[in-house]
Amino acid sequence: DVKVTQSSRYLVKRTGEKVFLECVQDMDHENMFWYRQDPGLGLRLIYFSYDVKMKEKGDIPEGYSVSREKKERFSLILESASTNQTSMYLCASSRALRYEQYFGPGTRLTVT
Amino acid sequence: KQEVTQIPAALSVPEGENLVLNCSFTDSAIYNLQWFRQDPGKGLTSLLLIQSSQREQTSGRLNASLDKSSGRSTLYIAASQPGDSATYLCGGTSYGKLTFGQGTILTVHP
Repeated sequence: DVKVTQSSRYLVKRTGEKVFLECVQDMDHENMFWYRQDPGLGLRLIYFSYDVKMKEKGDIPEGYSVSREKKERFSLILESASTNQTSMYLCASSRALRYEQYFGPGTRLTVT
Repeated sequence: KQEVTQIPAALSVPEGENLVLNCSFTDSAIYNLQWFRQDPGKGLTSLLLIQSSQREQTSGRLNASLDKSSGRSTLYIAASQPGDSATYLCGGTSYGKLTFGQGTILTVHP
């Protein structure tokens, strides 16, 4: 069974804090993705990675960075959290770009 | 730039009814189209993936079709059940990126 896990289901942080969201997949997938989901705006791609140490910007990379030191782990970093980064964050992975994406359970982040 | 639209935004049906959810996309240079289910506060569960060379895929009571020339995909749910109540999202992959529609909120009432 495919499995994508995220480090936290719920997270509350203060404005200005550095925030790390972790994602791990156990399927040996090449590609990993970070999305955020907001009411009325749908799902938007923040960053993706097609290999270890490789990354590409998505549609809304501002205010975020990522790290992929190992194939199975993809981290999203909010360098200085702001209230407009309050959102649901979803991680996904796929074997290749033409293949199915599998999603984790999501992290609901609240920045106060 | 790929744009994906889902109609209707919400649908309420009685149990047992067959129903169709619609998804349209603007760029026919699509690698694949994927249908997902999302329960409130949860992640996305992949239901069906149709490659660009395919016309349809079936899984149990679900059937998804893809017509690249018209830029449309449909998800057919047979004999709907209250447990099918969820938000259904479609997403098209083109140029390496998966673009989502806004989703259809489905309610199946007993």
